[in-house]
Amino acid sequence: AQKITQTQPGMFVQEKEAVTLDCTYDTSDQSYGLFWYKQPSSGEMIFLIYQGSYDEQNATEGRYSLNFQKARKSANLVISASQLGDSAMYFCAMRGPNSGYALNFGKGTSLLVTP
Amino acid sequence: NAGVTQTPKFQVLKTGQSMTLQCAQDMNHEYMSWYRQDPGMGLRLIHYSVGAGITDQGEVPNGYNVSRSTTEDFPLRLLSAAPSQTSVYFCASSRAGAPQETQYFGPGTRLLVL
Repeated sequence: AQKITQTQPGMFVQEKEAVTLDCTYDTSDQSYGLFWYKQPSSGEMIFLIYQGSYDEQNATEGRYSLNFQKARKSANLVISASQLGDSAMYFCAMRGPNSGYALNFGKGTSLLVTP
Repeated sequence: NAGVTQTPKFQVLKTGQSMTLQCAQDMNHEYMSWYRQDPGMGLRLIHYSVGAGITDQGEVPNGYNVSRSTTEDFPLRLLSAAPSQTSVYFCASSRAGAPQETQYFGPGTRLLVL
């Protein structure tokens, strides 16, 4: 079975600073994908970034990067140059070959960006 | 493309009532799934489908039924609503195949069961 753990219920960061949101996972699958989603207060789920288990380089998407350490089973999200609009819930999720490739989510981290 | 659409956006039910949450996608995606989101719990998988006529249970299937008669539609039925089913429900879809296929989410349905 897959398990995603996000140990930070809430985080604060000052505008323009970088912040790291932690995510660890557990799986026996060899092929899997790791995702980060953002959920603002409006409620929609916004895809941010993807990392494949066979990808050798860390994924980057604009100000988002994923620090993938396969041996440690961690997939931390790094947001550089935080903006006020980054205040939201952030979910780490894993996807494997079971359950129709549906996502298995962590409990999320609430990020607040302060001026 | 409308993407993934869900109706209604908000619904209030009384205990014991039944209802169907609608989900449709226009991207010809094979895979569809339903999640529920409760405070502090993240999203949990209720049911999923890998194609028309094929459905299976996820982590929290009790109290819910699904069917997939077409590629586009994946309705979620509550047979006898209970207060424990008060939640936000998300439908999602993706193409079949490898794990890197992104799941596209609908806007969600907020359900309150009194």
